[in-house]
Parts: sequence; C-alpha cells; structure tokens
Amino acid sequence: IQLTQSPSSLSASVGDRVNLTCQASQGVRDNLNWYQHKPGKPPMLLISDVTQLEAGAPARFSGSGSVTFFTLTISSLQPEDVATYYCQHYENLPLTFGGGTRVEI
Amino acid sequence: EVQLLESGGGFVQPGGSLRLSCTASGFTFRNYAMIWVRQAPGQGLEWISGIRASGGETFYADSVRGRFTISRDNSKDTLDLQMESLRAEDTAIYYCARDQYGGDGLARFDVWGRGTLVTVSS
Repeated sequence: IQLTQSPSSLSASVGDRVNLTCQASQGVRDNLNWYQHKPGKPPMLLISDVTQLEAGAPARFSGSGSVTFFTLTISSLQPEDVATYYCQHYENLPLTFGGGTRVEI
Repeated sequence: EVQLLESGGGFVQPGGSLRLSCTASGFTFRNYAMIWVRQAPGQGLEWISGIRASGGETFYADSVRGRFTISRDNSKDTLDLQMESLRAEDTAIYYCARDQYGGDGLARFDVWGRGTLVTVSS
C-alpha cells in the first residue's frame, strides 16, 4: 500500500489553519497514524487510528478521513509545530509511511 | 522512564556488516512487538523490519530481506538488527520503536529511540 502525502511542503503563518493530506493506494480502514518528526529528534506519534489524539499532543491537532483519504489538521499553527509530518498505515505488511509534509512558518 | 537506546552504528564499507542494538528500559520489553525504521539523508521514514513480542515471527521490507536479520533477547531487554552485504543506499539513521499496546500487533509506535547513524561508503 502506497501513501501519498500532499503537499510535500508548505509555509504558513502563525495562527493559520493547516490541512495535510494522505491518500492510500487502497483502503486501509481506520488503520492510519500520523507522526511529527523534528530534526535531531525521534518521530513522535501524534494521532493514531485516524482520529485518536495521543496523550500530551496539543488539542490543535486533529485527524479525519476514511478508507483511502485522510487529513491532519492544525487548527492554529504555532512556531513549535515546525516539523515534517508522516502518515503511516498498518492495514497489512509491509508497513509504509507517506513521503512526508514539511511544515514551515 | 520508558526509553529505547540504539547503539552500534558507524562507518562501514560496501559489502560489510554491522550489528545494531536497541536497549529497552522502563517497561516490560517482552510484552511488546518492536520494529526498526530508517531515514536516509534527505529522505522520509522507511519501515524495514518487525518482530513479534515473543520473537516467534519476524518481518522484513523487500529492500532488506535476505540481508538483514532482526532478533530480540527478552531476558536482556534488547533488540538487534544484524546487517549484512551493506550497500551505499543503506546509509541512514536507524531507529527502533515499540508498538503502543503490547502483544503481537505491529500497528502504532509510541516510543522511539534517538537513532544511530549508519554510513556505508568506500
């Protein structure tokens, strides 16, 4: 299963609402996660199972979608959100990640 | 504190071998499936291998199958990745990660090490 993320990068202003998308080449039901990855740090699980915000993750992050099309939304972009965001499915093996969306201010 | 710490990275020539280790602490390691993920320079994340909590089943991406071997020692809380026949395209930061809910699932990965760099070059 291939995951295609778009855009590959974006630049937005503090306070903007930002939508990142992830399209799967076949249905993955709700078996999709989002990770935040900052340079020099390990990836961090942000949202699991499409919509479940992980403990400690800011409430401005939310996930939506189903089957093949998924969205990660940042409701009000903050400077600390500068990172690359990856979707990942676990519908079957091999697990795959999307190519990532780099978010800048 | 729940933690994973990778070690064993370094510089190796093409065709060479390297063994990575990941040491777990702060949780009951034997209860969790584990994976290895890598990130090549300027590239995204790539899952390369996984192992069930018991160690009874292992899985590989096509890019490393037949060259890499994942294993674990639940008595020592360690996860290993033996890498053979290394190629330039194996150059990457290698991360180990834990499945979130324990058991044998390979699904969501909530604890990651900081990574270890492997450089394959002549």
